[in-house]
Amino acid sequence: DAKTTQPPSMDCAEGRAANLPCNHSTISGNEYVYWYRQIHSQGPQYIIHGLKNNETNEMASLIITEDRKSSTLILPHATLRDTAVYYCIVRTKAAGNKLTFGGGTRVLVKP
Amino acid sequence: GAGVSQTPSNKVTEKGKYVELRCDPISGHTALYWYRQSLGQGPEFLIYFQGTGAADDSGLPNDRFFAVRPEGSVSTLKIQRTERGDSAVYLCASMGPNTDTQYFGPGTRLTVL
Repeated sequence: DAKTTQPPSMDCAEGRAANLPCNHSTISGNEYVYWYRQIHSQGPQYIIHGLKNNETNEMASLIITEDRKSSTLILPHATLRDTAVYYCIVRTKAAGNKLTFGGGTRVLVKP
Repeated sequence: GAGVSQTPSNKVTEKGKYVELRCDPISGHTALYWYRQSLGQGPEFLIYFQGTGAADDSGLPNDRFFAVRPEGSVSTLKIQRTERGDSAVYLCASMGPNTDTQYFGPGTRLTVL
């Protein structure tokens, strides 16, 4: 699986949009971009994934650049409960494919 | 509905002892994964089951670690002769047959004294 690079930490203000960047310059054509987050003392939680088109669900939006070498997870209106470590993961959809977590971005939402 | 559950939530043991960690996946989920998370790091893959068989055990660190899933549902991770370096949170995840989203349990925090 391709390697991802994320900033180690970032702060954002409650009620504002949080934009979390991820670089994956060695991504292959059949690899998807997945985002998970981990709130303190809980297991990781799936947020969203995409291949090349932008995606949106009830939790977040995922913007993938045209060359697919980077992406941004957008939390449209951050709340205090969004404070967590956010992981960007690149992987294929092959059966049984494990998740390879990096260090993630520690996001602190401040009131 | 019920999510992935793991028991115990915390386990404290002494160096050299044997421990078993249990994972109850979401009903109907055929795929089951074990990960280990050390303090301040992301989870690391240990083993993956498809049904009853271990399809990928490449992440098990050594032969002291073993996992089973005899009936294709509940899985047990077994650690023999525990060492202080085994202290971590052990996470279990399951995945349904028509999805590629893994659902994680809350983890078992293992402390080896």
